[in-house]
Amino acid sequence: GAGVSQSPRYKVAKRGQDVALRCDPISGHVSLFWYQQALGQGPEFLTYFQNEAQLDKSGLPSDRFFAERPEGSVSTLKIQRTQQEDSAVYLCASKGSGGVQETQYFGPGTRLLVL
Amino acid sequence: GDSVTQMEGPVTLSEEAFLTINCTYTATGYPSLFWYVQYPGEGLQLLLKATKADDKGSNKGFEATYRKETTSFHLEKGSVQVSDSAVYFCALSRQAGTALIFGKGTTLSVSS
Repeated sequence: GAGVSQSPRYKVAKRGQDVALRCDPISGHVSLFWYQQALGQGPEFLTYFQNEAQLDKSGLPSDRFFAERPEGSVSTLKIQRTQQEDSAVYLCASKGSGGVQETQYFGPGTRLLVL
Repeated sequence: GDSVTQMEGPVTLSEEAFLTINCTYTATGYPSLFWYVQYPGEGLQLLLKATKADDKGSNKGFEATYRKETTSFHLEKGSVQVSDSAVYFCALSRQAGTALIFGKGTTLSVSS
């Protein structure tokens, strides 16, 4: 069956540009997560949605980062005025409604390079 | 705050060798514990998980036991294959929350 998909897979941006990263979760999955993975590091939590509600955005590193999921399905992570330190792989994961133990399924990620 | 510490790599083994990747955690309450694997060019995949103390997760010949007394979840495999070459991440999820907290990852390289 279809897994989590993300687009674009690769994005090169000039410093100061705005970027938008898309995540299509597994159909019917209620929960959606965004993570940031710097080179050689583990993923770090950015934000979490349950349906269309953004329940936790404590991991967003600055107010240049904004995420939305207006219809409770597709989500977009937007980064305004990109900086070189934003270069990383951005991972999206979705999870069904079976409680905290249920597995998070990850997409392939979007690799962002800011020049 | 909650955290996961795993052994630094790279780990380099010959085919059929025994594998251990150490993972310890710090968390309040009773977290669920996970091992994720990232094969070259692919996304993160769940390898195994354990949701309570003394549970053993297993998959594809890999095993890990949730040890509350030592706050550990070490990954083991009796005989590794070249196809096991990947980056392995230990992670936890608190009962009261849902975001995963990951270790830094351990690169495993298996040669024939």
